[in-house]
Amino acid sequence: NAGVTQTPKFRVLKTGQSMTLLCAQDMNHEYMYWYRQDPGMGLRLIHYSVGEGTTAKGEVPDGYNVSRLKKQNFLLGLESAAPSQTSVYFCASSAGGGQGRGEAFFGQGTRLTVV
Amino acid sequence: EDQVTQSPEALRLQEGESSSLNCSYTVSGLRGLFWYRQDPGKGPEFLFTLYSAGEEKEKERLKATLTKKESFLHITAPKPEDSATYLCAAQGIQGAQKLVFGQGTRLTINP
Repeated sequence: NAGVTQTPKFRVLKTGQSMTLLCAQDMNHEYMYWYRQDPGMGLRLIHYSVGEGTTAKGEVPDGYNVSRLKKQNFLLGLESAAPSQTSVYFCASSAGGGQGRGEAFFGQGTRLTVV
Repeated sequence: EDQVTQSPEALRLQEGESSSLNCSYTVSGLRGLFWYRQDPGKGPEFLFTLYSAGEEKEKERLKATLTKKESFLHITAPKPEDSATYLCAAQGIQGAQKLVFGQGTRLTINP
């Protein structure tokens, strides 16, 4: 019963490098989200998806891209990493679709440092 | 714009000393108000969902309540293992059920 699994857990990138963060959920949830968490800023939504093949921008989407080719996976890409993208990234999923289905369940996080 | 504000930012209590955490929200049509617990180095862990004013939910030493503008997380006779950051999030009827989070309250319970 894994829930939401993020890969990798830690990563150090050089400025300008690219990488992809993988999120996998085994709860058959429709909705998936990517958040970043920074000290004093709380959790901020980067991108989200309401179903396979769909993506939408959140509060802080610049510098990131996402894809949801399979229902269980949600990928977050950084094409050219910048020091401002140093953060802890959390993936979450929810059943969606109405009241009582909005609870989001989170992964354990990916700590990314861009030097 | 939907907004969630939590207070205080940090709270230090002695074991057994009860208190409350506050979450003020402004959303267009509240669909749900959520409380999470987050331990250092881990992802947020779901605690409660509240849907309408007057609703209350309890779990062990925690009780969450909801009014039309605020939610409170009451902690009764806390223990050191209750030390964590508590996050509040609101979900409005617009925006595909996105959760808008407050900045959290860092709670420390001293033995």
